[in-house]
Amino acid sequence: EIVLTQSPATLSLSPGERATLSCRASQGVSSNLAWYQQKPGQAPRLLIYDASNRATGIPARFSGSGSGTDFTLTISSLEPEDLAVYYCQQRSTWPRMYTFGQGTKLEIK
Amino acid sequence: EVQLVESGGGLVQPGGSLRLSCVVSGFTFSSFWMSWVRQAPGKGLEWVANIRQDGSEKYYVDSVKGRFTISRDNAKDSLYLHMNGLRAEDTALYYCARDVIVLPPGLDYWGQGTLVTVSS
Repeated sequence: EIVLTQSPATLSLSPGERATLSCRASQGVSSNLAWYQQKPGQAPRLLIYDASNRATGIPARFSGSGSGTDFTLTISSLEPEDLAVYYCQQRSTWPRMYTFGQGTKLEIK
Repeated sequence: EVQLVESGGGLVQPGGSLRLSCVVSGFTFSSFWMSWVRQAPGKGLEWVANIRQDGSEKYYVDSVKGRFTISRDNAKDSLYLHMNGLRAEDTALYYCARDVIVLPPGLDYWGQGTLVTVSS
């Protein structure tokens, strides 16, 4: 079973700052990694798929990188509405199953 | 507009059963895999199960195998989660989500969830 470990657990930054969120897999997952954003009281939203591709409608300030076991979600210039918990997720090809990381809470000062 | 609407949650005693439903609109339901994902109060996301377009493949997280069954009715644009032998640790908000294989691979549309509480 692949385990995803996200760090830090909580990140507190000011508007305009750069946020860097990490996700480490216990074994290689190639580029089969996605990032989701969950704002308070809302369902999650797909941000990044295949490690580095933005989903439809996602602002360009969100970017993803990495492959294998180490992945990063970067928010280049924080906006107040970026307050959320961010989850990484890996998918296995067969059986077709998913695993989420424990999440990183992003606080906006 | 794509919509997914869950229902069927509620309060149930340990060992009890519940059936969750998810009705979708705005896309061709029969063309997509579908998933259930849950979130315990104040906790993170946990993928629960998914089902292929025709129902021929189903996969589950280990913690629910043998207790939960995912199914679908393509004629009714509906997804179900039959939950038996419920435990306190199954208490969560249950989301249904569209499960896409390509472009983009992932869970691209989600409902707002239905709350299941297991307690005596």
